Amino acid sequence: SYELTQPPSVSVSPGQTARITCSGDALPKKYAYWYQQKSGQAPVLVIYEDNKRPSGIPERFSGSSSGTMATLTISGAQVEDEADYYCYSTDSSGYHFVFGTGTIVTVL
Amino acid sequence: EVQLVESGGALVQPGGSLRVSCAASGFTFSSYWMNWVRQAPGKGLEWVANIKEDGSEKYYVDSVKGRFTISRDNAKNSLFLQMNSLRAEDTAVYYCARRNTGLDYWGQGTPVTVSS
Repeated sequence: SYELTQPPSVSVSPGQTARITCSGDALPKKYAYWYQQKSGQAPVLVIYEDNKRPSGIPERFSGSSSGTMATLTISGAQVEDEADYYCYSTDSSGYHFVFGTGTIVTVL
Repeated sequence: EVQLVESGGALVQPGGSLRVSCAASGFTFSSYWMNWVRQAPGKGLEWVANIKEDGSEKYYVDSVKGRFTISRDNAKNSLFLQMNSLRAEDTAVYYCARRNTGLDYWGQGTPVTVSS
């Protein structure tokens, strides 16, 4: 079955840049989406279609994709950005979806 | 305001059945694909199933194929997940989510525990 691989954790100091990668064989042809999940809460979409930001999401969140890797960047990370982050995409069929393994982001 | 409210989660014995529901409001329900996503305790998110706007297409993760059935009632703005032959590994919070540009709206989830 299709898999999306993320690093288990990323740690940065406030104001620094956090980068989270997501690796998958179908990413050259399929969009990546990114979700933020804080403890005890439902996930929130922070990036869609590789690099678009939904309304209400701070500009410090950005996305990019190249080849088999998508990247979520938090520029000038804030303490309130501490959360689990998941990438999300589809396999080559376009009908079966998968979440990445998840990355814990710590800002301290 | 878009709202998705799940219900029906419960404690059920292994091998048992359960149906969870999702009530939608604030948007034209019949115009969107809908999804179920689950999260086991302390684990990551797992996409479970989705269903086309008119219910004519349904897709499932391999681990639930043949055991779970996704359905919808557009007249009642409701999404369902019928879960049969439940296993301990199905224990999770089950979320419904609307698919637009990505899964843009989520409910707060309903907990399902499979245990004897």
